[in-house]
Amino acid sequence: DTGVSQNPRHKITKRGQNVTFRCDPISEHNRLYWYRQTLGQGPEFLTYFQNEAQLEKSRLLSDRFSAERPKGSFSTLEIQRTEQGDSAMYLCASSTGGLSDTQYFGPGTRLTVL
Amino acid sequence: RKEVEQDPGPFNVPEGATVAFNCTYSNSASQSFFWYRQDCRKEPKLLMSVYSSGNEDGRFTAQLNRASQYISLLIRDSKLSDSATYLCVVNMGNSGYALNFGKGTSLLVTP
Repeated sequence: DTGVSQNPRHKITKRGQNVTFRCDPISEHNRLYWYRQTLGQGPEFLTYFQNEAQLEKSRLLSDRFSAERPKGSFSTLEIQRTEQGDSAMYLCASSTGGLSDTQYFGPGTRLTVL
Repeated sequence: RKEVEQDPGPFNVPEGATVAFNCTYSNSASQSFFWYRQDCRKEPKLLMSVYSSGNEDGRFTAQLNRASQYISLLIRDSKLSDSATYLCVVNMGNSGYALNFGKGTSLLVTP
């Protein structure tokens, strides 16, 4: 399967714990995006990378959130000191570039914070 | 006010019906427009891009009116398999590449 992959698919954690998610984009896609989706809402943009450079962060991305893409390939999203409000689906997408290029989404990581 | 507003739905239609979804966006600097489809508990998938000239893909027709900042999607001859949530999506204008999604409109096509 050459699509976007995300791991883990599900994560249950207790409030206050740290969690880390991984995204592997489609190979040769130089842009990688993170979104968050809660029930009944559309996805909300969190951050995006062009190769290894993090070029934009949403104000939704509090200081408890950090994302990296160290070699311009896979990316990780870490949430420190999780809160119940962090419970959501975390979606990763990748694209080749250009203003009208298509973003392809991975299956998401569903986070539940107890 | 959300940047992308959609009819909340749900739309329940019989097979074979024609259904139309509407969407408005607030950022006049946006330049890219899309409809994505999302099945229950799955990731969004691109249905079609939307161009000023309008575009058609089989039973699906999308229209864009930049002056009114309005986007539409028409589905003709609805199939059971069209049941899903349809997300109106607009790029974030000046920042370029990140996407703003509407809340989605739920469609249920019944036999």
